[in-house]
Amino acid sequence: EPEVTQTPSHQVTQMGQEVILRCVPISNHLYFYWYRQILGQKVEFLVSFYNNEISEKSEIFDDQFSVERPDGSNFTLKIRSTKLEDSAMYFCASRGIRGRNTEAFFGQGTRLTVV
Amino acid sequence: GNSVTQMEGPVTLSEEAFLTINCTYTATGYPSLFWYVQYPGEGLQLLLKATKADDKGSNKGFEATYRKETTSFHLEKGSVQVSDSAVYFCALSAQGAQKLVFGQGTRLTINP
Repeated sequence: EPEVTQTPSHQVTQMGQEVILRCVPISNHLYFYWYRQILGQKVEFLVSFYNNEISEKSEIFDDQFSVERPDGSNFTLKIRSTKLEDSAMYFCASRGIRGRNTEAFFGQGTRLTVV
Repeated sequence: GNSVTQMEGPVTLSEEAFLTINCTYTATGYPSLFWYVQYPGEGLQLLLKATKADDKGSNKGFEATYRKETTSFHLEKGSVQVSDSAVYFCALSAQGAQKLVFGQGTRLTINP
């Protein structure tokens, strides 16, 4: 069964460092998302991406964040200068077709710890 | 704005017990409603969904009914198994939106 793959599963980084979280969405999907979950809190939407551009972003997704789909298979989330409060589980998701009723497929998450 | 509220966890039950996890929502218009489940070490998986009022979503013995009058989408299962131990997330997708809005998740542990 096709699946969304995220790497690494766990990353520890020092405050102020740049991190790149990687995702390989399902191959024929067109819509891509990043969500995050700070420990003990809700899963929060960060950004959606379609047709090689951001289609929606939340207020969390400030200038420190960027997304890219560099080669048609990977979908990356970059945090330029990490802060302690960026520590969270980050989930990538993809969707095949437009429509709010269609299923979004999620990866297993990357746990980011900023020290 | 749109939001989802789930019952606080963790929830611990014995095998074969009846399960209810409450979920209520706030949204304009007619959202679609979802339950996602996260098993240990895995990603979020869609468990069931309902796209209009009075629809019942069901899968793997779990059910949830879209109740517009009470803005609720409670998850139920008649007889839980140890393998149902996981974190359960209620979510909505609002009219005209692509993103999901999640509740905080409820950790369920089933003891043999």
